[in-house]
Amino acid sequence: AQSVTQLDSHVSVSEGTPVLLRCNYSSSYSPSLFWYVQHPNKGLQLLLKYTSAATLVKGINGFEAEFKKSETSFHLTKPSAHMSDAAEYFCVVSDRGTDSWGKLQFGAGTQVVVTP
Amino acid sequence: NAGVMQNPRHLVRRRGQEARLRCSPMKGHSHVYWYRQLPEEGLKFMVYLQKENIIDESGMPKERFSAEFPKEGPSILRIQQVVRGDSAAYFCASSPPRGMETQYFGPGTRLLVL
Repeated sequence: AQSVTQLDSHVSVSEGTPVLLRCNYSSSYSPSLFWYVQHPNKGLQLLLKYTSAATLVKGINGFEAEFKKSETSFHLTKPSAHMSDAAEYFCVVSDRGTDSWGKLQFGAGTQVVVTP
Repeated sequence: NAGVMQNPRHLVRRRGQEARLRCSPMKGHSHVYWYRQLPEEGLKFMVYLQKENIIDESGMPKERFSAEFPKEGPSILRIQQVVRGDSAAYFCASSPPRGMETQYFGPGTRLLVL
């Protein structure tokens, strides 16, 4: 079985300061992990994904995430927040090599607010 | 290359009516997935389809909901006799036959049941 816990429902940062969005996962098998972003009334955009290659994954718009198996974590970071980063962010897990692989399991989401 | 397309973007129905949501996958993609996002919640998997086949429907409600992905044309998510609790955003995603794990999402259909 797979599950995802996003540890913060809301994060508020000042423009130009670092962003950290925390995610812990549970997976019975070798997981694939993703971060998606959703701007208001829009669809979901893939930021980055981990599929067992390098543990530090770089994505779009300056975001990156590190897969830490020992901590079962996949936290998302960005060195300097921009106003356009205000959105909801979802951590997502999929169990590769199982019957559930096509079934993405979403976290509850973290709402990011960026203040000037 | 157009992305995943969904229509309508907004749909209003009265209780008891039928709702039909359409999804056209990205060009070259043969796998389609439907997810539902209830207010203040994350997305929940509903169904996974390939052309003319339902692969996994474990997230579909047992009654009133059905999905298809015919050989020609878009995938359809059909909700019969809608109730207020069906009000949600319904997202479709697609993926190619290879590199199947990365799903690309459409803009969603926001269903409001009055």
